[in-house]
Amino acid sequence: GNSVTQMEGPVTLSEEAFLTINCTYTATGYPSLFWYVQYPGEGLQLLLKATKADDKGSNKGFEATYRKETTSFHLEKGSVQVSDSAVYFCALSDSYAGGTSYGKLTFGQGTILTVHP
Amino acid sequence: DAMVIQNPRYQVTQFGKPVTLSCSQTLNHNVMYWYQQKSSQAPKLLFHYYDKDFNNEADTPDNFQSRRPNTSFCFLDIRSPGLGDTAMYLCATSRGTRTDTQYFGPGTRLTVL
Repeated sequence: GNSVTQMEGPVTLSEEAFLTINCTYTATGYPSLFWYVQYPGEGLQLLLKATKADDKGSNKGFEATYRKETTSFHLEKGSVQVSDSAVYFCALSDSYAGGTSYGKLTFGQGTILTVHP
Repeated sequence: DAMVIQNPRYQVTQFGKPVTLSCSQTLNHNVMYWYQQKSSQAPKLLFHYYDKDFNNEADTPDNFQSRRPNTSFCFLDIRSPGLGDTAMYLCATSRGTRTDTQYFGPGTRLTVL
């Protein structure tokens, strides 16, 4: 079956530091890949996504590139802010449209990011 | 403007006392999902609806049921909550293909005493 593995956390950084959160996946076909962010006490919200190999998703200074050859979708940001403190989830969506998959997400275990001033 | 609304935001119930959580959406999406998220864990899919077509995950306990009376609303019923059901319950919607974004509500934090 499909699976997503994220780097061990938590991650603690100083403001303006460079961020990388590693994500690798296992899937049988051609999944879409997502990064969701969860702020304390809230639901998840989409940060960025990529739907095919070599696509780069970007939003709010965050970037991730869909690498089929290494089955990876690592999240990066050049200069983090205190407001980026949250839990980050990597996820994939089943590779076959229609049928009974209906866009179901497989999540990684989440990475807690804390940014200090 | 809120697109996926969950009520209540916080719910406390007693062991064994049935509870219903609600979710509504203004996106007119075909698919609605219910997730359970325990502390410091990833969300776990319980079930989802494509229109009125109900799809249960194999490991979802029978204690959890769901209703979708129309496109906009979906309910999660926990018939006899146990202490282990204390969690955040998240509702999400999407158009239902592999490329579509899921839109999440703010969640209902359920505590079973």
